[in-house]
Amino acid sequence: QVTLKESGPGILQPSQTLSLTCTFSGFSLSTYGMGVGWIRQPSGKGLEWLANIWWDDDKYYNPSLKNRLTISKDTSNNQAFLKITNVDTADTATYYCARSWYFDFWGPGTMVTVSS
Amino acid sequence: DVVMTQTPVSLSVSLGGQVSISCRSSQSLVHNNGNTYLSWYLQKPGQSPQLLIYKVSNRFSGISDRFSGSGSGTDFTLKISRVEPDDLGVYYCGQGTQYPYTFGAGTKLELK
Repeated sequence: QVTLKESGPGILQPSQTLSLTCTFSGFSLSTYGMGVGWIRQPSGKGLEWLANIWWDDDKYYNPSLKNRLTISKDTSNNQAFLKITNVDTADTATYYCARSWYFDFWGPGTMVTVSS
Repeated sequence: DVVMTQTPVSLSVSLGGQVSISCRSSQSLVHNNGNTYLSWYLQKPGQSPQLLIYKVSNRFSGISDRFSGSGSGTDFTLKISRVEPDDLGVYYCGQGTQYPYTFGAGTKLELK
C-alpha cells in the first residue's frame, strides 16, 4: 500500500526558507524508475509542479521559481525534501508530494502560509 | 513551457448523463521514447488530486470504466459516462512529457 504524507512549518515569514518533508511508504526511491514530485496549489487555484527527484538522484526544477528550489532525498528513511528560499506571500499554498511517473499517489497536502 | 488548455471551465451535468472535457497542449506530448505522458486527475472538494487516466487512455487501478481517455499529439479528451455524485469536483489534465511538468487550469463538474 503506497502512502505519502507531507509535513511543513505551517506558517513562516517573508524572506525565510521553507522546508518541507515527504514521508512515504509502499515503495522505495532506490528502486529503478521511482520518483517523487512536489506540486503546490494556492487556495482556490490550480496545480503548479515544482520539482522532481528520481531513483538515480536526477533532479528537475520548475524554472519559474528560478534558483529558489532544492530537492533531495533520504532513501534509507523513505523521505524526500523540498526547500524554497526567500519565500513571499505568493508562496502561500497547499504543498503536495506525489509519486512519479504519473503522480499516481498523492499525500494529503500541507498548508503553508507566508505572512509577516 | 507546454501550455495545457482545458475546456470548458465548468460543466453542469445531470446524474446518469455523459460529459466530455477537452485538453489541448501547445506542443506535441509524444516523448522521444514514443510514449505520450498525458494524465487526467480528479480533485474532489477538500481532497488531494487523484489519478484517473495515465498515458492518454490507461485507467489507473480501481478507476471505473465509466472514465475513458482518448487523443493524440496535442488534442485529448476525457469522457465520463453515467455520471454519479462521487464524480463531482475539478478535473485536471497534466503532461509529464517535457519539463517543467504542467497542468491545465481545471474543469469544474457540477450537478445540473
